[in-house]
Amino acid sequence: AQKVTQAQTEISVVEKEDVTLDCVYETRDTTYYLFWYKQPPSGELVFLIRRNSFDEQNEISGRYSWNFQKSTSSFNFTITASQVVDSAVYFCALSERGGSEKLVFGKGTKLTVNP
Amino acid sequence: DADVTQTPRNRITKTGKRIMLECSQTKGHDRMYWYRQDPGLGLRLIYYSFDVKDINKGEISDGYSVSRQAQAKFSLSLESAIPNQTALYFCATSDNRQGAYEQYFGPGTRLTVT
Repeated sequence: AQKVTQAQTEISVVEKEDVTLDCVYETRDTTYYLFWYKQPPSGELVFLIRRNSFDEQNEISGRYSWNFQKSTSSFNFTITASQVVDSAVYFCALSERGGSEKLVFGKGTKLTVNP
Repeated sequence: DADVTQTPRNRITKTGKRIMLECSQTKGHDRMYWYRQDPGLGLRLIYYSFDVKDINKGEISDGYSVSRQAQAKFSLSLESAIPNQTALYFCATSDNRQGAYEQYFGPGTRLTVT
C-alpha cells in the first residue's frame, strides 16, 4: 500500500533562513509520481511540482528546490531565503500506476516564516 | 475565472439533512475527484471518476454518494449529514491523457454539521 510520511508537523523560521521540508514515501510500484502542494492561509491548494519515479534529477525553481532520492524513498523540498509569503501548509503526495488513480497525501507540514 | 469552482463555499447544516456539494470545471479534464480535509489528517479521497460512466469509491466513501452529470460536473451528496462530516471538502481534476498526472483543486467548501 502507498503511504506518505511528513514527520515535521510544524516548522517555524525567521525570514531569510533556508528551510527543508521532509517527505518519505512507501510504494510497491516501480512507476509512481510524487507531488508537492502548498495550502496558504486562504485555504486553496496550489500545485507546486510533479516528479516521475524514473527521473531522479533534482529540480530548482527560483527559491524552491526539490531533492528526489529513490534510495531513501524521499522527496524533500527546500525553500531558500524564506519569506513571510511562504507561510503555509505544505503537502507531499504520491500517485501510483502512472498517476491513473488517487493521490495519497501526507498529513502536511505547517511552515511559519516570521519577519 | 477559476478553472475549478465549488458551490457553496460555506455551508452550515443540521444533523440528518441531505446536502449536495457541486463542482464544475472548465479545464476539459476527464478525471474528477472529491476529497475531505480534516485538521492533522491531510486530505483523504472520498470518490473519483475517470469519465461520466465511471465512478469509484475512495478511502472514505461511507456516508457519501456522487453523481457525474457531465464531463465538467461532479457532485457530492451527504444523504443524512452527521457532525463528524464537518470538514473542508475539495474537488479536483486531472488530465492524464497528456501524461500529466497532477490534480488541480477547487477553492474548497467548508461544511459544518451541527
